[in-house]
Amino acid sequence: NAGVTQTPKFQVLKTGQSMTLQCAQDMNHNSMYWYRQDPGMGLRLIYYSASEGTTDKGEVPNGYNVSRLNKREFSLRLESAAPSQTSVYFCASRQTGSSYEQYFGPGTRLTVT
Amino acid sequence: DQQVKQNSPSLSVQEGRISILNCDYTNSMFDYFLWYKKYPAEGPTFLISISSIKDKNEDGRFTVFLNKSAKHLSLHIVPSQPGDSAVYFCAASGNNFNKFYFGSGTKLNVKP
Repeated sequence: NAGVTQTPKFQVLKTGQSMTLQCAQDMNHNSMYWYRQDPGMGLRLIYYSASEGTTDKGEVPNGYNVSRLNKREFSLRLESAAPSQTSVYFCASRQTGSSYEQYFGPGTRLTVT
Repeated sequence: DQQVKQNSPSLSVQEGRISILNCDYTNSMFDYFLWYKKYPAEGPTFLISISSIKDKNEDGRFTVFLNKSAKHLSLHIVPSQPGDSAVYFCAASGNNFNKFYFGSGTKLNVKP
């Protein structure tokens, strides 16, 4: 049972390049989330998916797109990376119902030069 | 503007003593509050939660207190252990759980 996995662990991009961050969970959770963590800012929600086939914006969606490919996978795409997107990105999942805790992946450290 | 605030970036406590981490929020629509613990190079892990219908929730050495009128919650760790040294985030959500708002974190150092 791997929980939430993220690939890659590290990535360096040049300004203007694109990339997709991958996330998968094996806990059969309905909801999935993408966050970014910046120094002094805590975690901020980029996008979330309440269920397979639905996605919605969080606090800081500009410059990102997401795809909920199936129940297991939720990807985050940067179409044209900018230095302001240098951050650590976390994917999380949650089972809907009485439990409201989220399970987080190990993170992807992205640097845009 | 941040809706959840942790005003103490760091806290240092002696092993065996009590650690008290504080969190304030501004949105009166928040109904559920959670604490997460994070070690370096790892994702946050869930620690303890409380809903707005309660004012206290306890789990072993960890107790969360909620003061709705003051829009304030705190996490008490008793007794503190060196393995508790980590960054602690508080988070809040409304009753649809679609959006969670996190504080900026408090780095706890428990000295042996």
